[in-house]
Amino acid sequence: RKEVEQDPGPFNVPEGATVAFNCTYSNSASQSFFWYRQDCRKEPKLLMSVYSSGNEDGRFTAQLNRASQYISLLIRDSKLSDSATYLCVVNDYKLSFGAGTTVTVRA
Amino acid sequence: ETGVTQTPRHLVMGMTNKKSLKCEQHLGHNAMYWYKQSAKKPLELMFVYSLEERVENNSVPSRFSPECPNSSHLFLHLHTLQPEDSALYLCASSQDGRQGQSNEQFFGPGTRLTVL
Repeated sequence: RKEVEQDPGPFNVPEGATVAFNCTYSNSASQSFFWYRQDCRKEPKLLMSVYSSGNEDGRFTAQLNRASQYISLLIRDSKLSDSATYLCVVNDYKLSFGAGTTVTVRA
Repeated sequence: ETGVTQTPRHLVMGMTNKKSLKCEQHLGHNAMYWYKQSAKKPLELMFVYSLEERVENNSVPSRFSPECPNSSHLFLHLHTLQPEDSALYLCASSQDGRQGQSNEQFFGPGTRLTVL
């Protein structure tokens, strides 16, 4: 089983829609997680950390399900600028990256 | 300059060439990393330097040779590469606190390498 697995997508959604996707991780002892965003041909940038209680940053909500070993990212009221690849990251003294989920928001 | 910078941004080299990638961080961090990103694959961690000491080497072929002369600079020396080494090479830095805990990493823009 891969350390971090993501549905590659693409998720094609209209502007204003809600889109959500998950990421599963293999190490049940993992404590710390991030979502990074990577635009086409650019470097990854931190979108948000994922806390055990879940957290929200504007239109973005991240949640952690320890029992099922997955984290999720939900984007409300999608904007064209949300089009990117979203990387799930598990922090076990080093960062392990998923291959990313591609989201395309269309006008 | 702010953040993490990398040069060159693009590099085309033959299999017999020797070249070096350079990374510089202006964030005062104490750890630096090299990653390889191939199309549709997860980022692959290659090397980790913490306080200028190499702490991780993920079975990377010897044709890749890292160098960390100080906490702000990181190099990746390349020689006799193969076409399958063509990828985006990303440098990152972080401020690591207590041992075993990695904090948010900040990435440079990457060097897109093509090996002919």
